Amino acid sequence: QKEVEQNSGPLSVPEGAIASLNCTYSDRVSQSFFWYRQYSGKSPELIMSIYSNGDKEDGRFTAQLNKASQYVSLLIRDSQPSDSATYLCAVWSYGQNFVFGPGTRLSVLP
Amino acid sequence: DARVTQTPRDKVTEMGQEVTMRCQPILGHNTVFWYRQTMMQGLELLAYFRNRAPLDDSGMPKDRFSAEMPDATLATLKIQPSEPRDSAVYFCASGLDQDVGPLFGPGTRLTVL
Repeated sequence: QKEVEQNSGPLSVPEGAIASLNCTYSDRVSQSFFWYRQYSGKSPELIMSIYSNGDKEDGRFTAQLNKASQYVSLLIRDSQPSDSATYLCAVWSYGQNFVFGPGTRLSVLP
Repeated sequence: DARVTQTPRDKVTEMGQEVTMRCQPILGHNTVFWYRQTMMQGLELLAYFRNRAPLDDSGMPKDRFSAEMPDATLATLKIQPSEPRDSAVYFCASGLDQDVGPLFGPGTRLTVL
């Protein structure tokens, strides 16, 4: 069974700080990587995707991928209380399904 | 703004009853996923369709669960008979291809008494 691991948290950061969320995966042939945000009682919302090594920036969000280390991360700059949610990492491999990690709960303190 | 729709949004039923959940994927999407989410297990994949063909239902209890796509605009997930341990939120998600993360519907919250 291919695995995706995340720290469950909660990760608490003060407002305005950088939140760093980490994800590791076991399948070396994984090709596509995604970050979802899920507010309590809501469905997961796709916020970032990354396919090649390096950084990808979108507004306050930066996704980082290191395939050699089998590691993908999400940085949230200038964290806001509205960023408080559970962040799910998802991994896709050719011929396989999307596999989700257990999620990291982020709390941004005003 | 295209969205995945699911019905019903909430369902309360008694043990032993049949439950049917429906999903309308985003028009043009060719992959459909059914996930179950609980506090203990997180998001579990139950079934995966591509171009309406079932590709993976290994996560689904075969004796009581069934998933179908009678046409490109409808996916169904049935539980018969339902049990209290089936209580969870069931999400449908659809996607265009594997390089694009699937988009989730609002979910069906199922409570089996």
